[in-house]
Amino acid sequence: NAGVTQTPKFQVLKTGQSMTLQCAQDMNHEYMSWYRQDPGMGLRLIHYSVGAGITDQGEVPNGYNVSRSTTEDFPLRLLSAAPSQTSVYFCASSSIYGQGARRSGNTIYFGEGSWLTVV
Amino acid sequence: DAKTTQPTSMDCAEGRAANLPCNHSTISGNEYVYWYRQIHSQGPQYIIHGLKNNETNEMASLIITEDRKSSTLILPHATLRDTAVYYCIVRTPVYSGGGADGLTFGKGTHLIIQP
Repeated sequence: NAGVTQTPKFQVLKTGQSMTLQCAQDMNHEYMSWYRQDPGMGLRLIHYSVGAGITDQGEVPNGYNVSRSTTEDFPLRLLSAAPSQTSVYFCASSSIYGQGARRSGNTIYFGEGSWLTVV
Repeated sequence: DAKTTQPTSMDCAEGRAANLPCNHSTISGNEYVYWYRQIHSQGPQYIIHGLKNNETNEMASLIITEDRKSSTLILPHATLRDTAVYYCIVRTPVYSGGGADGLTFGKGTHLIIQP
C-alpha cells in the first residue's frame, strides 16, 4: 500500500514555463486536494476534488489548474510559472464517508511533498 | 479567522511527557478535534482525533475538557524524533457536501525535544 505518491520531489522552473505535479493514491479515496506551504506558514488549500470529474477551488487557486479523470490521480498544473509559486506542494486524500458505527472520521493522508523553485 | 489557538513553541526533555495545549472556544457540537504533526520537510502526519471523550492510540493521548473549549495532546515518552510542528485542527469528520473538506492549518506549535 503506497498511500499518496507525489512526483517529482524537486523541480526548478524558469518563469513562464509550464509543468504538472503528479499525485496518485491507491486507497480508493473520493476526496483529493492540493496544498502549498510557504516558509514559516501553515498549509493553504489550492484545489480539491470530491470525485472523478468534480473539482473546485480552495483558498489560493490562482495560477493553478487541476483535473480529476480517475479516482486515483489528481494532477496539479502550472500553466505559466511565476516566482510567487515557489513553494512546497502537498497532495492529500481521504474518504469522504464516515467509517463504521464509531464514526471514526475521515483521516486525511498526505504525500511527502514536491519542492518547486521558480527562477 | 483562526478556530484554534496554540503556543508558538515548546520545549520538552527527552523521555518526559510532552503536553501540548490547544484552545478552541468556538468549536461547534459536530466538530472533532484533530491533531497532526509535520516533521521537517515531510508531509503532515495524522496523530489522533476525538469528539468529547479522551482518546488514546499508539502515538498519543488526547484529553478534551468537558466544555470542549480546549484540549491537550500528550506524547507520553517524548523522543528526539518527536521534534516537529504540531497542528490542532477542528473540523467535522464526515464530508457534508457543497464545499471543501480540507483541513485549515494554523501555524501550530513547534515542539523541540531536548536531549
